[in-house]
Amino acid sequence: GAVVSQHPSRVICKSGTSVKIECRSLDFQATTMFWYRQFPKQSLMLMATSNEGSKATYEQGVEKDKFLINHASLTLSTLTVTSAHPEDSSFYICSARDFEGPGNTIYFGEGSWLTVV
Amino acid sequence: SQQGEEDPQALSIQEGENATMNCSYKTSINNLQWYRQNSGRGLVHLILIRSNEREKHSGRLRVTLDTSKKSSSLLITASRAADTASYFCAPMEYGNKLVFGAGTILRVKS
Repeated sequence: GAVVSQHPSRVICKSGTSVKIECRSLDFQATTMFWYRQFPKQSLMLMATSNEGSKATYEQGVEKDKFLINHASLTLSTLTVTSAHPEDSSFYICSARDFEGPGNTIYFGEGSWLTVV
Repeated sequence: SQQGEEDPQALSIQEGENATMNCSYKTSINNLQWYRQNSGRGLVHLILIRSNEREKHSGRLRVTLDTSKKSSSLLITASRAADTASYFCAPMEYGNKLVFGAGTILRVKS
């Protein structure tokens, strides 16, 4: 199946700093990518939908100035957690829609563990 | 977008047994996708079934879809310890986003 690469897989940053997570579709063009957050033993919470060349659409309750999303190309979307705080520590997962694949299959990255100290 | 609701919330079986998980949803869909998530990892796409399909197979996986009842099931036959994971269904309207329910936590004991 199609591959979505997420980087870094683990990152530790200090409070107040910003950290960027990359999501790449490796063998297909993804005009739409999605960013999720997952707390331990809980389901995935959709944060935002990222469309190539336009502004991201954020879900209710997600601070767009806190979680900056950029989808500058058909294969890359980035999530930047700005002025990170310990409560931002979480597992972040991206996914990408393969519009040319059967049924608009959505593929997920391996996720990124963020720890803010 | 709509959320799939998985049932049961947790399932514990012995290796070699079959595992069945169910999914219900509320509105019309274009397709329904099943995913597996191992602890602390990303989601792995298992199978996609279109709204005009009733059953689909992939290796030890069998997925059924009943659009009249707005339900789907995932059957894993001859389960293995490596099948231990959380399983999510994702009913999808055309071009829409995926919103996940709580999933089914499957534990296969060896």
